[in-house]
Amino acid sequence: QKEVEQDPGPLSVPEGAIVSLNCTYSNSAFQYFMWYRQYSRKGPELLMYTYSSGNKEDGRFTAQVDKSSKYISLFIRDSQPSDSATYLCAMSTQYNFNKFYFGSGTKLNVKP
Amino acid sequence: EPEVTQTPSHQVTQMGQEVILRCVPISNHLYFYWYRQILGQKVEFLVSFYNNEISEKSEIFDDQFSVERPDGSNFTLKIRSTKLEDSAMYFCASSEEQRNTEAFFGQGTRLTVV
Repeated sequence: QKEVEQDPGPLSVPEGAIVSLNCTYSNSAFQYFMWYRQYSRKGPELLMYTYSSGNKEDGRFTAQVDKSSKYISLFIRDSQPSDSATYLCAMSTQYNFNKFYFGSGTKLNVKP
Repeated sequence: EPEVTQTPSHQVTQMGQEVILRCVPISNHLYFYWYRQILGQKVEFLVSFYNNEISEKSEIFDDQFSVERPDGSNFTLKIRSTKLEDSAMYFCASSEEQRNTEAFFGQGTRLTVV
């Protein structure tokens, strides 16, 4: 199943760095794009969602969607050790909104 | 802060046995979901449930699986005859509105079939 591709990492950065996490997808019907954060032994926690194309900013987090390239990104500014987690992208279509397709997750380690 | 709770956190069962995973969704939510994550693999959609019936299910959700909302607060996933390949983390989620992307996930139940 290769509908959503995500580099598994691990990605290791120093505290304060800007982090870029990315996913590509193949299904042009995807309209809703989400980023979840998952700490070890916990459930996914919704960070951001975007409908269709464009950017969305929330504090240190910025989500970008480029539907023409089928590419989404999550940027984390001023990264903190507490941001160390696995980041999952997820997406769904307008017709089967309930059914999320997840990426495999990127493990991020922010070093103090 | 309201949260989705799942019990048990870890369940070990013998192959062929029935298992029931339990979830208490957030109280005013109307849509409920089960997802699973096999170790090292992606989170996969199993089923969504609304108004006391299944609204969508995946190919994984075959006749061995069933869901129920027995008492208006719990939401359960039953696996009738477990197989080794059912070993996974099972996540329950709920959301207030169908098009509200804020689906809240529980912490998961780790199912180990031996």
